[in-house]
Amino acid sequence: EDQVTQSPEALRLQEGESSSLNCSYTVSGLRGLFWYRQDPGKGPEFLFTLYSAGEEKEKERLKATLTKKESFLHITAPKPEDSATYLCAAGLQFGAGTQVVVTP
Amino acid sequence: DTAVSQTPKYLVTQMGNDKSIKCEQNLGHDTMYWYKQDSKKFLKIMFSYNNKELIINETVPNRFSPKSPDKAHLNLHINSLELGDSAVYFCASSQVSVGTSSISGANVLTFGAGSRLTVL
Repeated sequence: EDQVTQSPEALRLQEGESSSLNCSYTVSGLRGLFWYRQDPGKGPEFLFTLYSAGEEKEKERLKATLTKKESFLHITAPKPEDSATYLCAAGLQFGAGTQVVVTP
Repeated sequence: DTAVSQTPKYLVTQMGNDKSIKCEQNLGHDTMYWYKQDSKKFLKIMFSYNNKELIINETVPNRFSPKSPDKAHLNLHINSLELGDSAVYFCASSQVSVGTSSISGANVLTFGAGSRLTVL
């Protein structure tokens, strides 16, 4: 059975304190590893898709990487507006998310 | 102009009632989905329709019945509501089915804002 596991569950960062979120997956025939951001009271919003091991994508302070068994979302020098829940999905299966809080 | 819109945004009802949630997308996508997000924020796929045809039906009680009158609309009807049905229900769409390999990103999900259902 396909499975997606995210860690940590929650992360509290000081502004400027870089960190990484982990997403490990076991799926048969990966057709894209997706990262989404969800703000309170809103639907998830697409960030990145990664298709093959070694692939990397960047957007502002976020960088996503992919290996054969896991993906990382690196947040560099985060700002308070980066506070959100970050969700990882392999196909239609979502992980439980990592809630990130960035304090000034 | 909202890409994926759901109504109602909030729904409070008594146990045993029947309710519906409607979803419309104006993106021209072929595939639409219903997800349930529980109190722990875990998103679980319920149904998927591709061009009005049901292609995914996860283990969901048969009190839940989706209906797609055309490829831009996917509604969710719930009979005999139970306390455990309380959750946020998200509608989503994608250009092609997420199970399809797509380097172009056509299988990215666009979500609606969610419909919060509270069963008392």
